[in-house]
Amino acid sequence: EAQVTQNPRYLITVTGKKLTVTCSQNMNHEYMSWYRQDPGLGLRQIYYSMNVEVTDKGDVPEGYKVSRKEKRNFPLILESPSPNQTSLYFCASSLSSFDEQYFGPGTRLTVT
Amino acid sequence: GIQVEQSPPDLILQEGANSTLRCNFSDSVNNLQWFHQNPWGQLINLFYIPSGTKQNGRLSATTVATERYSLLYISSSQTTDSGVYFCAPHDYKLSFGAGTTVTVRA
Repeated sequence: EAQVTQNPRYLITVTGKKLTVTCSQNMNHEYMSWYRQDPGLGLRQIYYSMNVEVTDKGDVPEGYKVSRKEKRNFPLILESPSPNQTSLYFCASSLSSFDEQYFGPGTRLTVT
Repeated sequence: GIQVEQSPPDLILQEGANSTLRCNFSDSVNNLQWFHQNPWGQLINLFYIPSGTKQNGRLSATTVATERYSLLYISSSQTTDSGVYFCAPHDYKLSFGAGTTVTVRA
């Protein structure tokens, strides 16, 4: 089944403890991106990747890192999480930046 | 980036009713997607529609790119249609509107 998977789905952590949210797609898509969703602010793009080893900042990249070493995986790294990074995170992928994007199930992160 | 306005912000429907959701966007776009976010938070693709009209069951969408708007029609609404509907025009990335929250009452 064609899909985007994210892990973990739910995470409660403490300020400053490094964490990684994994994202994987099995559709051979070149374009992948991360979004966060916050009440009243909608979905905003954090980082995107046009292809392996090519990543760039989205609208709200501060406090996040990404890497794209393989086509299928695009992990999101929070090196020192803070409470303002409490949010619902989505990974998405598509053939290219202009093609239909498919979203993962979301990761609900709480930083205390 | 592209500015996106969705209306109405909230919509309460009786089961079986029809409705129209509107999405206005500020710039020319390559494409546009409609999503449904269900009560569990999952984003479900509804339509990928740069222009013209598409139909999928009780849902249909129309995009008039030259006039910078898109419409989503829900016919014979069901309680499972409840949730938030987002439109997201593409230029080089998706730009999301604030969404329309739809509540369908039995």
